[in-house]
Amino acid sequence: ETGVTQTPRHLVMGMTNKKSLKCEQHLGHNAMYWYKQSAKKPLELMFVYNFKEQTENNSVPSRFSPECPNSSHLFLHLHTLQPEDSALYLCASSQDSPGLAGVRTQYFGPGTRLLVL
Amino acid sequence: QKEVEQNSGPLSVPEGAIASLNCTYSDRGSQSFFWYRQYSGKSPELIMFIYSNGDKEDGRFTAQLNKASQYVSLLIRDSQPSDSATYLCAVNMVKAAGNKLTFGGGTRVLVKP
Repeated sequence: ETGVTQTPRHLVMGMTNKKSLKCEQHLGHNAMYWYKQSAKKPLELMFVYNFKEQTENNSVPSRFSPECPNSSHLFLHLHTLQPEDSALYLCASSQDSPGLAGVRTQYFGPGTRLLVL
Repeated sequence: QKEVEQNSGPLSVPEGAIASLNCTYSDRGSQSFFWYRQYSGKSPELIMFIYSNGDKEDGRFTAQLNKASQYVSLLIRDSQPSDSATYLCAVNMVKAAGNKLTFGGGTRVLVKP
């Protein structure tokens, strides 16, 4: 257990459905991330939130919509997805402390395995 | 050139031997470097990080960093079958704002009894 939880762990949805992924961190961190991991591809950063503010959107299609209501919770809202969006979606968190000279370790949740039919 | 590059493997290692994994990165100003282990179907878990040139040891794991050569490696001593996994190298690049990590594609390690 890393202190980062994700629900649901598995999700099957049709292309016309709307669903949301949830992430919660219990580590007191102030930065949270969404990553996508497809088969045989490197981890792809999707979004970064720092102190609830989005600081990075890595050219992610608008059918993925993140929400960060506070520093402990992060959501990824999904709508009109495509089959190629099927992947493992990982949430991570870290503590952004400028005094640590760039060492900002990210801790991952267990992931949500998404299948789009 | 990929920003963070790893040999995809698989790297086959006899039980008890040393597994040596390599990672190169493109941004010379990168500050900190991480090794994660990922078992099939699971999420990445941190093994260790390094940010100073030289070696850093933690149990059976040793990370080695050479910023001049833009190279970071991971040694696994006395490899066990439970070490069979994909090992991800991640780099915190200077050009990236805040906490962005860039990951390599991972090296798959197989430890054979």
